[in-house]
Amino acid sequence: SQQGEEDPQALSIQEGENATMNCSYKTSINNLQWYRQNSGRGLVHLILIRSNEREKHSGRLRVTLDTSKKSSSLLITASRAADTASYFCATVTGGGNKLTFGTGTQLKVEL
Amino acid sequence: NAGVTQTPKFRVLKTGQSMTLLCAQDMNHEYMYWYRQDPGMGLRLIHYSVGEGTTAKGEVPDGYNVSRLKKQNFLLGLESAAPSQTSVYFCASSYDPPQRETQYFGPGTRLLVL
Repeated sequence: SQQGEEDPQALSIQEGENATMNCSYKTSINNLQWYRQNSGRGLVHLILIRSNEREKHSGRLRVTLDTSKKSSSLLITASRAADTASYFCATVTGGGNKLTFGTGTQLKVEL
Repeated sequence: NAGVTQTPKFRVLKTGQSMTLLCAQDMNHEYMYWYRQDPGMGLRLIHYSVGEGTTAKGEVPDGYNVSRLKKQNFLLGLESAAPSQTSVYFCASSYDPPQRETQYFGPGTRLLVL
């Protein structure tokens, strides 16, 4: 079964708006990672946040982690059409040799 | 630096046929992974390797075998393909384990089993 579950499954916004995606997981984690996948392409790493961190920023991206609620959120500010993609969270648990991916959020940014 | 490359990009097989998917990385990474991605689902780990000559099972290993004879290559084999193995296969690599580092992904191989 999937460790991470993203919400919403699909999101459509206008260019310039902010997009927020949420990820919930079931068991304690070492870290949580967010990836982007453009249609027909491989995944590209966005941000890694460790279990002892609460917030990280990278350019227009902001990731938060709430270990008490077993959840994370990815905020993309001032979205652009080029941000149209699927976004996945992935968690590292246990021995730390494996990533477990969620089901993803499909983001569409319209002009 | 080509990063992570996968061969072939697309393949059609008949049920029962065999094939090998090749993953190559030029980043001197220790860790390599094979995932499959099916519609509406995230990536699921098939097998992985923590170094040359090592392999380990992931979440969905049945029907697949792997080999890591050279550090830069990770091969995924299907001995007798089944329609349920129709999927997009992604290879990934990293220098450190996931608890310390993110993974670098290849462009994927689309496999259709008829």
